Amino acid sequence: AQSVTQLGSHVSVSEGALVLLRCNYSSSVPPYLFWYVQYPNQGLQLLLKYTTGATLVKGINGFEAEFKKSETSFHLTKPSAHMSDAAEYFCAVSGSGTYKYIFGTGTRLKVLA
Amino acid sequence: DAGVTQSPTHLIKTRGQQVTLRCSPISGHKSVSWYQQVLGQGPQFIFQYYEKEERGRGNFPDRFSARQFPNYSSELNVNALLLGDSALYLCASSLNAGVSYNEQFFGPGTRLTVL
Repeated sequence: AQSVTQLGSHVSVSEGALVLLRCNYSSSVPPYLFWYVQYPNQGLQLLLKYTTGATLVKGINGFEAEFKKSETSFHLTKPSAHMSDAAEYFCAVSGSGTYKYIFGTGTRLKVLA
Repeated sequence: DAGVTQSPTHLIKTRGQQVTLRCSPISGHKSVSWYQQVLGQGPQFIFQYYEKEERGRGNFPDRFSARQFPNYSSELNVNALLLGDSALYLCASSLNAGVSYNEQFFGPGTRLTVL
């Protein structure tokens, strides 16, 4: 079985500050992990993914995430927040041989001027 | 190349009615998955189809059904609509199904409102 927990349904940061969005997963198979961003009234856009290999994954728009197996975590970070980063962010888990993504409940990021 | 397309963009129905949502996958992709995203929640898996066969089903009632056509496009049907069916319905396509890593590419969704 697989599950995802996103801590913090709402996160506020000042423009230029560090962004940290937390994701913990549970998976009975080696996980594939994803972060998606969703802007209002739009679909999901892939930010980054971890499948195998390097545990530090770099994505679009300056975001990165680190797969930590020992902590079952895949937290999303960005060194300096921009106003355009305001959106909802979803962490998802899948795995080899599985056919579906399991999504977390999302974290809404607010960027303060 | 065109991404995943969905139609219609928005839809308003009343309780008890039936609705059909449509999805065209990325060219060359043979698998289509459907997700329901209720306001304020993450997407929930409904179905996956691969080569016109159902490969997986989420925890949804039999009122929900889907099919995939020879051109790999797909339809999601929901019968006897309930207020709780109001949601954004997302379609995702991938090359294959459940074979190693297969990235799913999501469409913009269909916003269904049930009154």
